Amino acid sequence: GAGVSQSPSNKVTEKGKDVELRCDPISGHTALYWYRQSLGQGLEFLIYFQGNSAPDKSGLPSDRFSAERTGGSVSTLTIQRTQQEDSAVYLCASSATSAYNEQFFGPGTRLTVL
Amino acid sequence: DQQVKQNSPSLSVQEGRISILNCDYTNSMFDYFLWYKKYPAEGPTFLISISSIKDKNEDGRFTVFLNKSAKHLSLHIVPSQPGDSAVYFCAASAVQGAQKLVFGQGTRLTINP
Repeated sequence: GAGVSQSPSNKVTEKGKDVELRCDPISGHTALYWYRQSLGQGLEFLIYFQGNSAPDKSGLPSDRFSAERTGGSVSTLTIQRTQQEDSAVYLCASSATSAYNEQFFGPGTRLTVL
Repeated sequence: DQQVKQNSPSLSVQEGRISILNCDYTNSMFDYFLWYKKYPAEGPTFLISISSIKDKNEDGRFTVFLNKSAKHLSLHIVPSQPGDSAVYFCAASAVQGAQKLVFGQGTRLTINP
């Protein structure tokens, strides 16, 4: 498809387990972003990739969160030792490299930590 | 600290009338503003944007107004249609900030027939 895709769409896990969330950006988009939306809240920035490097990781809430991007395309967000407060919808977005470009969002992964 | 604020969590408008959604920001470094629309279980969809060198941008039924001195922007939808019922998010970015978007909390718009 032409849009941003994310998998899985839903993930239920037990507290303390590790999870991996995947994002496939729009082909040719060099910028990739991860956000999360907790219940009743706005979207919160997590990390930004330009190509395979992450010049801005300022939004990652703790060292349990990490992300990587390979081949300038697919990105994986990993949460280790999940906690209940990690429950949220995790959204990925991509955009063309130049400034003043809108970001295109995927459908999100709903993570529930029991 | 909430750098982008949408003070109305919900808004109800009659079909055919104008919907006005408001957004305030505090960071004077923001120079690009966007509105997104979100349906349940879907990602946000881009609606319209405006850069800080403009005070108005129009696209069909959607118009965004920017008042830099007041650090305020608004989205006007006219005429409102039932399909416009969704949550609307205001977002802002600064070129210096690697384009990351700072979002407001959202306003749930309901269009009544």
